[in-house]
Amino acid sequence: QKEVEQDPGPLSVPEGAIVSLNCTYSNSAFQYFMWYRQYSRKGPELLMYTYSSGNKEDGRFTAQVDKSSKYISLFIRDSQPSDSATYLCAMAGLSGGSYIPTFGRGTSLIVHP
Amino acid sequence: EAQVTQNPRYLITVTGKKLTVTCSQNMNHEYMSWYRQDPGLGLRQIYYSMNVEVTDKGDVPEGYKVSRKEKRNFPLILESPSPNQTSLYFCASRDTGTSGYNEQFFGPGTRLTVL
Repeated sequence: QKEVEQDPGPLSVPEGAIVSLNCTYSNSAFQYFMWYRQYSRKGPELLMYTYSSGNKEDGRFTAQVDKSSKYISLFIRDSQPSDSATYLCAMAGLSGGSYIPTFGRGTSLIVHP
Repeated sequence: EAQVTQNPRYLITVTGKKLTVTCSQNMNHEYMSWYRQDPGLGLRQIYYSMNVEVTDKGDVPEGYKVSRKEKRNFPLILESPSPNQTSLYFCASRDTGTSGYNEQFFGPGTRLTVL
């Protein structure tokens, strides 16, 4: 079993929909939970991250972490065609004095007008 | 502009012909790493470097070499490329602050095809 599981999709939604992207993990030592966004032909860019459990909101994006279930989510409200991208979850625990991320496979999101 | 640069962006080569993909960052980051990204497999770490002259294997190091002689540069070397190394490669760098997670910055990617 991979440490981080993520459904690759694709997930296709109409503009304006609420999008839910999810990952599960198996390593209890993970403390930081990140979401990266990757547009086609580009490198991933950090969207947001949370520490331990709880929610974090940034504009239309909300990240949730449930450590008891080992489950994290990214919600996108009022989705736009410009949100079409691959979303990678990543998680990090302390290793050798640093937090090195382990990435999920990424979920491809398509928001159609 | 703070960035990670990679060259070349696209490369088609033949089996066994040695190649080097360069990576450079201008953010004075200690930590640099190489990933490959394949459909259905996601990002997999090849090698990483915590600082100059310090490198270590990631999850898929076979067939690759790296060196870190300068802080800003971290080249990826394929001594004898094979078709199964056809992939999209990303270089990344980040700070190694004493607390918390430090954002990892990725380069634009190098698409390698080995015939």
